[in-house]
Amino acid sequence: SQQGEEDPQALSIQEGENATMNCSYKTSINNLQWYRQNSGRGLVHLILIRSNEREKHSGRLRVTLDTSKKSSSLLITASRAADTASYFCATDAVLGVAQGGSEKLVFGKGTKLTVNP
Amino acid sequence: DTGVSQNPRHKITKRGQNVTFRCDPISEHNRLYWYRQTLGQGPEFLTYFQNEAQLEKSRLLSDRFSAERPKGSFSTLEIQRTEQGDSAMYLCASSLVAGGYNEQFFGPGTRLTVL
Repeated sequence: SQQGEEDPQALSIQEGENATMNCSYKTSINNLQWYRQNSGRGLVHLILIRSNEREKHSGRLRVTLDTSKKSSSLLITASRAADTASYFCATDAVLGVAQGGSEKLVFGKGTKLTVNP
Repeated sequence: DTGVSQNPRHKITKRGQNVTFRCDPISEHNRLYWYRQTLGQGPEFLTYFQNEAQLEKSRLLSDRFSAERPKGSFSTLEIQRTEQGDSAMYLCASSLVAGGYNEQFFGPGTRLTVL
């Protein structure tokens, strides 16, 4: 089952506008990661935020994490046509295999972002 | 290019045939993961290795699926007696777990079509 749920499922904006995508998850996490996927391609790692962090920046990307609400947001500022892609959040569990947990990443269904030139 | 390579990039096969995919991770990474992604969905975990040991397998990994990482470097994923429902993108990822970080780097994937 998929833990992360991205919202919205699809987002269409004009070049230069900001894009905000949200992710909700169900269980306690160690880290939350955001990935980008261009159509038919592999996933590109964008940013990782740890459970004890609240905000992180990387270039035009800003990620927030609210562990009390089990939610995260990804903000892309000054969007470009090249940002058109699907964006996924992925979480990993607090406990690893040795502690009876799991080492896998659990992905949501993604937000499909279209940036119109 | 993340440094993770997968071959082949595309595979078309007939139902009932066996297929094998290969993944070459980033060389210093000790962990290697396999995921499957169907259209409109996020990737779903299949299995992972730490060095050559297979430590976790998903319930999605039926007995027709087998994965190996014989020398702790590259990995192969074999699907026997393929079914149409196996059609998907098969993604490989690798990571170097340190300090609680598990940043996974993905390959371009192998797209399997079962006719």
